[in-house]
Amino acid sequence: QQQVKQSPQSLIVQKGGISIINCAYENTAFDYFPWYQQFPGKGPALLIAIRPDVSEKKEGRFTISFNKSAKQFSLHIMDSQPGDSATYFCAATRSFSGGSQGNLIFGKGTKLSVKP
Amino acid sequence: DAGITQSPRHKVTETGTPVTLRCHQTENHRYMYWYRQDPGHGLRLIHYSYGVKDTDKGEVSDGYSVSRSKTEDFLLTLESATSSQTSVYFCAISKGQENTEAFFGQGTRLTVV
Repeated sequence: QQQVKQSPQSLIVQKGGISIINCAYENTAFDYFPWYQQFPGKGPALLIAIRPDVSEKKEGRFTISFNKSAKQFSLHIMDSQPGDSATYFCAATRSFSGGSQGNLIFGKGTKLSVKP
Repeated sequence: DAGITQSPRHKVTETGTPVTLRCHQTENHRYMYWYRQDPGHGLRLIHYSYGVKDTDKGEVSDGYSVSRSKTEDFLLTLESATSSQTSVYFCAISKGQENTEAFFGQGTRLTVV
């Protein structure tokens, strides 16, 4: 019940295209869903996050879509650029106000390559 | 990098030796975490701390211990390093309360030979 399943493992997109990465979770107590971006040799950087009271959150070219009934959420990168080439991780946790200690459960990651 | 410093950044050590990794934060955040990252596994929680001297185990805690004697420092110790502990280790911090955001350090690449 603690797993977060992420797909695809790798993704190749042309410059200007839309990148879509999907995640599914099992634990219905999760109420915070962040996405992290990681470049080689660097630590994961928080990109965007969503809570289940909204179905979509957009920040610039990055959008999270959230489907509570299906227990799925996805990251959409519009107008993908070569600089977006990185590994992306979805994660889930129960928020501190829900009694957790903020321990993140991560998906296994998606390596995105954006071709010029 | 949200005021997080990990040291050392790289280390090669021999099987059976003790190793301590340090995480130092300047944000005064209550929560600190140690994760390990391995190909095909994503990031997995080793131990975490919810205050000075308050720590607990994560998903993959066997072979690791931690200590937090000050708010700003969280130490991860491998008492007797094994080859299976070759990994990249990341420290993360979180403010807690209404703020669930977690920020990661740059990582420590540990190789056990």
